[in-house]
Amino acid sequence: QKEVEQNSGPLSVPEGAIASLNCTYSDRGSQSFFWYRQYSGKSPELIMFIYSNGDKEDGRFTAQLNKASQYVSLLIRDSQPSDSATYLCAGDSGGYQKVTFGIGTKLQVIP
Amino acid sequence: EAGVAQSPRYKIIEKRQSVAFWCNPISGHATLYWYQQILGQGPKLLIQFQNNGVVDDSQLPKDRFSAERLKGVDSTLKIQPAKLEDSAVYLCASSARQGRPEAFFGQGTRLTVV
Repeated sequence: QKEVEQNSGPLSVPEGAIASLNCTYSDRGSQSFFWYRQYSGKSPELIMFIYSNGDKEDGRFTAQLNKASQYVSLLIRDSQPSDSATYLCAGDSGGYQKVTFGIGTKLQVIP
Repeated sequence: EAGVAQSPRYKIIEKRQSVAFWCNPISGHATLYWYQQILGQGPKLLIQFQNNGVVDDSQLPKDRFSAERLKGVDSTLKIQPAKLEDSAVYLCASSARQGRPEAFFGQGTRLTVV
């Protein structure tokens, strides 16, 4: 079973701090990785995707991928209370773009 | 651009009854997914279509769940008969052709089986 693993949290950070969310995956064939944000009672919303080793920045968000270590992370700079949500890590596998999700990490940003 | 449309938003049924969910993906998206999300868990893939063909249904409980995607556009997911453990949010998502695998989700259908 190809898996994507995350710590369920909650991860609590003070407002203005950097939140660091981590994810590991078991399928070495995975090429693409995604971070989704899910507010309580809402559907997942894509915030970042990354294909290549290294960092990808988009505003306050930075995704990091290390394929050798099978590790993906998401950094949120200047965390805001509105960032409080569950962050789902997902990876694709196979040639048909099958996307497997982790359990999600609940982030709480404390004002 | 219109997003992924799902209906109904909420459904309450008794165990052993049947239920059907409908999904219309983003226009032009060839890949359609049905996920089940139980409270406190990540989405679990039930079935994936590429156009109107099934490419993965390994986690679909085929004794009670069925899905179809006629003409490669909209899709229905059916449960018959429902069990208490089927209570979950059923999410439909779609993605464009190979090379852009990121998926976009509909609002989901919250199913409660009593």
